Amino acid sequence: KNEVEQSPQNLTAQEGEFITINCSYSVGISALHWLQQHPGGGIVSLFMLSSGKKKHGRLIATINIQEKHSSLHITASHPRDSAVYICAVGTGNQFYFGTGTSLTVIP
Amino acid sequence: KAGVTQTPRYLIKTRGQQVTLSCSPISGHRSVSWYQQTPGQGLQFLFEYFSETQRNKGNFPGRFSGRQFSNSRSEMNVSTLELGDSALYLCASSLGTGGDPSTDTQYFGPGTRLTVL
Repeated sequence: KNEVEQSPQNLTAQEGEFITINCSYSVGISALHWLQQHPGGGIVSLFMLSSGKKKHGRLIATINIQEKHSSLHITASHPRDSAVYICAVGTGNQFYFGTGTSLTVIP
Repeated sequence: KAGVTQTPRYLIKTRGQQVTLSCSPISGHRSVSWYQQTPGQGLQFLFEYFSETQRNKGNFPGRFSGRQFSNSRSEMNVSTLELGDSALYLCASSLGTGGDPSTDTQYFGPGTRLTVL
């Protein structure tokens, strides 16, 4: 049983397209994190959310606590956005991770 | 500020051996968390240390252990290595003062890639 489900698993987009990655979870959470992992392994934290919506540059993250669902949006996608995006939830004493969405943005 | 550093970056061991990995957090961060990443299981939470005490633990066997020193540097040890322990081991640091590490932004190190032969 996976506590965190992400979709899609793989995504290919043309440069400039609007992208949405979805995350659903089944446990009670303290916070939800969106992470970005580039080839080579380095992980960067993009957002930490416990309610509502956050925006950073071209990235927007939303969370609906009642529906246990979060979305990560990328506006005006660029080839440098190509990476694996991972949703993670914290329950207070545990972290659970989605399997990641591999995004490729083609010029 | 310097980022999170991990040593070594690459390691090759044989079954039955033990290994120790090191993580130096960002200056001022008191929480260090460890994660295992494999192609099959993805990212999994190992444990979290705060002020030299293990505060939270994931579902890993006792072969996986860790400790934290007074300067917040942390080590992770895996004893009696198995082939399935081959993975990228990541540590992340955060301020940790809120009591719940999941409400802190995590700053990840580059990882140690362990291969068990």
